[in-house]
Amino acid sequence: RKEVEQDPGPFNVPEGATVAFNCTYSNSASQSFFWYRQDCRKEPKLLMSVYSSGNEDGRFTAQLNRASQYISLLIRDSKLSDSATYLCVVNIPPKFSGGYNKLIFGAGTRLAVHP
Amino acid sequence: DTEVTQTPKHLVMGMTNKKSLKCEQHMGHRAMYWYKQKAKKPPELMFVYSYEKLSINESVPSRFSPECPNSSLLNLHLHALQPEDSALYLCASSRVGTRMSNQPQHFGDGTRLSIL
Repeated sequence: RKEVEQDPGPFNVPEGATVAFNCTYSNSASQSFFWYRQDCRKEPKLLMSVYSSGNEDGRFTAQLNRASQYISLLIRDSKLSDSATYLCVVNIPPKFSGGYNKLIFGAGTRLAVHP
Repeated sequence: DTEVTQTPKHLVMGMTNKKSLKCEQHMGHRAMYWYKQKAKKPPELMFVYSYEKLSINESVPSRFSPECPNSSLLNLHLHALQPEDSALYLCASSRVGTRMSNQPQHFGDGTRLSIL
């Protein structure tokens, strides 16, 4: 099983739609969770950290389900500018990664918002 | 605008050349990272520096040599690279996390490297 798994998509949605991405992680000891977005041929940009209680930033809502080991990202009222690849990022604690705490990136989910 | 600056933006080099990639941040972060990213793949961690000391080397070939001269600068020295090393090289920085959790990382816009 991959350490971080995402549906690669693409998700093709019209403007104004609500779209949700899920990400599953394999290590129950993981403590840090993030969503990044990456535009084509650009660097990943931090979208939001994901907290146990869930958090919202404008049109974006992130949820963490520790029992089922998944993270979700909900985008409401999609804009054309939301078209990008969304990367789920999870830490691997030191015990499982050779003594160092490091982040693992999922392969990303591609979103295409059309007019 | 990114707060992590990488130079050069593009680099084309032959397999016998020696070149260096540079990264600079002024956010006071004491952890800095090098990642390699191939097309349509996620970033892969190469090296981590924490308090200017190398803490992770993900079994990267010795033709890649990192250097952290001070808390703001991170270099990646390249020598005798292979065509398969062509990729986007990303630098990132963050505050130092705890033993069990990580701080979010902030990326530079990368150096697109092509090996002829």
